[in-house]
Amino acid sequence: GALVYQYPRRTICKSGTSMRMECQAVGFQATSVAWYRQSPQKTFELIALSTVNSAIKYEQNFTQEKFPISHPNLSFSSMTVLNAYLEDRGLYLCGARLGLGTYEQYFGPGTRLTVL
Amino acid sequence: GDSVTQTEGQVALSEEDFLTIHCNYSASGYPTLFWYVQYPGEGPQLLFRASRDKEKGSSRGFEATYDKGTTSFHLRKASVQESDSAVYYCALSDPGANTGKLTFGHGTILRVHP
Repeated sequence: GALVYQYPRRTICKSGTSMRMECQAVGFQATSVAWYRQSPQKTFELIALSTVNSAIKYEQNFTQEKFPISHPNLSFSSMTVLNAYLEDRGLYLCGARLGLGTYEQYFGPGTRLTVL
Repeated sequence: GDSVTQTEGQVALSEEDFLTIHCNYSASGYPTLFWYVQYPGEGPQLLFRASRDKEKGSSRGFEATYDKGTTSFHLRKASVQESDSAVYYCALSDPGANTGKLTFGHGTILRVHP
């Protein structure tokens, strides 16, 4: 089946520092990877969508300068949260889509970011 | 833009009760609809999806029917178990846009008491 791993599962960083998180698709090739942030209130915010052979598209309120994403191949993506502050805390989820003709996304367990 | 509304923020039931979680959507085009379930400490898991009017999705005793007329995709289960306690999300993806973006509802917390 389709599995998505995320690393680390939890991380704590000091305010103003940066941290990098990874997303790995196992058993399939992800033609697109979406990064979301889930707030403590459980709502989802789409940060950016990275599709093979296309530029990474960031949603309003999220920028490449703050959340740079690397998507070097069809099974791996990483995102960095630069200069993290309290409002950046939450669960960062990676959703991978199998093919351009499919629409469901398979999610990893998330990386929980705590900012001190 | 696209949106998904889940009426119930929280639902508390006893085991073997009937479950309904209401989901209504607003989208241009003909969206694909999903139900996801999220257990504590995990990411959302796909329960099932439906892509066309009157199509029924189902999994693990849960089901929902795509209703284009009422723009709804209500989740139902005839007899819930304590292990069903989780957060349930209705979501849509607009294939016309083919962006791969999912729009989620705010989620419904289901608590099932033994």
